[in-house]
Amino acid sequence: NAGVTQTPKFRVLKTGQSMTLLCAQDMNHEYMYWYRQDPGMGLRLIHYSVGEGTTAKGEVPDGYNVSRLKKQNFLLGLESAAPSQTSVYFCASSYPLGSSYNEQFFGPGTRLTVL
Amino acid sequence: AQKITQTQPGMFVQEKEAVTLDCTYDTSDPSYGLFWYKQPSSGEMIFLIYQGSYDQQNATEGRYSLNFQKARKSANLVISASQLGDSAMYFCAMRPYSGAGSYQLTFGKGTKLSVIP
Repeated sequence: NAGVTQTPKFRVLKTGQSMTLLCAQDMNHEYMYWYRQDPGMGLRLIHYSVGEGTTAKGEVPDGYNVSRLKKQNFLLGLESAAPSQTSVYFCASSYPLGSSYNEQFFGPGTRLTVL
Repeated sequence: AQKITQTQPGMFVQEKEAVTLDCTYDTSDPSYGLFWYKQPSSGEMIFLIYQGSYDQQNATEGRYSLNFQKARKSANLVISASQLGDSAMYFCAMRPYSGAGSYQLTFGKGTKLSVIP
């Protein structure tokens, strides 16, 4: 049981380049999330998905796109990278939230630098 | 909108002593969950403890306990018998149980805890 995995772990891009971050979970979770963490900040939600084929915007969605073609995978795309997107990106997953305790399980993070 | 405030950017504690990490929150939602996560230098986010807004008792998980004072909107984390491995960043987070924000954990900026041998 690997939990939540992210690919790649590190990446350096030049301004204007594109890339896709892959998140995979093997816990059969319905919900998946992409967060970014900047220095001195907590995590902020970029996009999330409540099921296969559905996505929605979070707090800071601009410059990113996502897709959830399979239940276990959640992809985060940067079409034209900018230095402001230099950050650590975390994927997370959970069971449907509802009105009860349901923790989000986090992946190990991807450190992205845009030059 | 929700807001989490962690007023202690950094703290030091002697090994084997207890330490309290402060967290206050602001929300207009009547029901919500409060979470604490640990982020060691390796970078992963580790869930520690959860408190529901309607829970009558403070949550405990091993050496971690949550001092929940609803009227004051505070959810402080208490770590008893600190260990060197407790040195890390600690984040308080919350999630409302209804509305558009219910899918999002709102995080504070974190407190860096250093345990001194």
